[in-house]
Amino acid sequence: KAGVTQTPRYLIKTRGQQVTLSCSPISGHRSVSWYQQTPGQGLQFLFEYFSETQRNKGNFPGRFSGRQFSNSRSEMNVSTLELGDSALYLCASRGTVAGTYEQYFGPGTRLTVT
Amino acid sequence: TQLLEQSPQFLSIQEGENLTVYCNSSSVFSSLQWYRQEPGEGPVLLVTVVTGGEVKKLKRLTFQFGDARKDSSLHITAAQPGDTGLYLCAGERQGAQKLVFGQGTRLTINP
Repeated sequence: KAGVTQTPRYLIKTRGQQVTLSCSPISGHRSVSWYQQTPGQGLQFLFEYFSETQRNKGNFPGRFSGRQFSNSRSEMNVSTLELGDSALYLCASRGTVAGTYEQYFGPGTRLTVT
Repeated sequence: TQLLEQSPQFLSIQEGENLTVYCNSSSVFSSLQWYRQEPGEGPVLLVTVVTGGEVKKLKRLTFQFGDARKDSSLHITAAQPGDTGLYLCAGERQGAQKLVFGQGTRLTINP
């Protein structure tokens, strides 16, 4: 079974631009979560989508948004990029294994804002 | 305030030594997961524990879930340089449908 895939793996953008990141979950998983990881703040939860609906949301400004499509693929958008948005953005999909939810991460998208 | 407290945050030891990483909380979790992450990559799921007192072994790694399901530990025997990485614990509270993560333990094994 293929794992979680994220595209692109690396991205360089300029302040003020916007960016869209893509995530394809493990086949059969309906939940997709997004995280931001930086050396200073660690792993921070952005939001989770389940069956095309945002189910949970972290404490990030409205510049960060996402959506999920009917095939469970998800996109995350960051508008008006700031230098502080430079980070590793991780997508994770969740599914049930023997009655327990397990979450699997993709390789991440490294975003650098200059 | 971190819901899951990991300790130590940094650990650097010599190859062949044993070590234990702790993940503590005042909350009860229905399940707890451990991940290892290497630089520039996503965290890789190592194990999920769900039953209080449960012990799971993965080669030289032993994971334990506390009896009250509020804490967990990861013990590595005879550490090797390949064990180097960031270890993260993550727990799901009953009905929360969301994982909360510890801040991580950065482990370095020196040859």
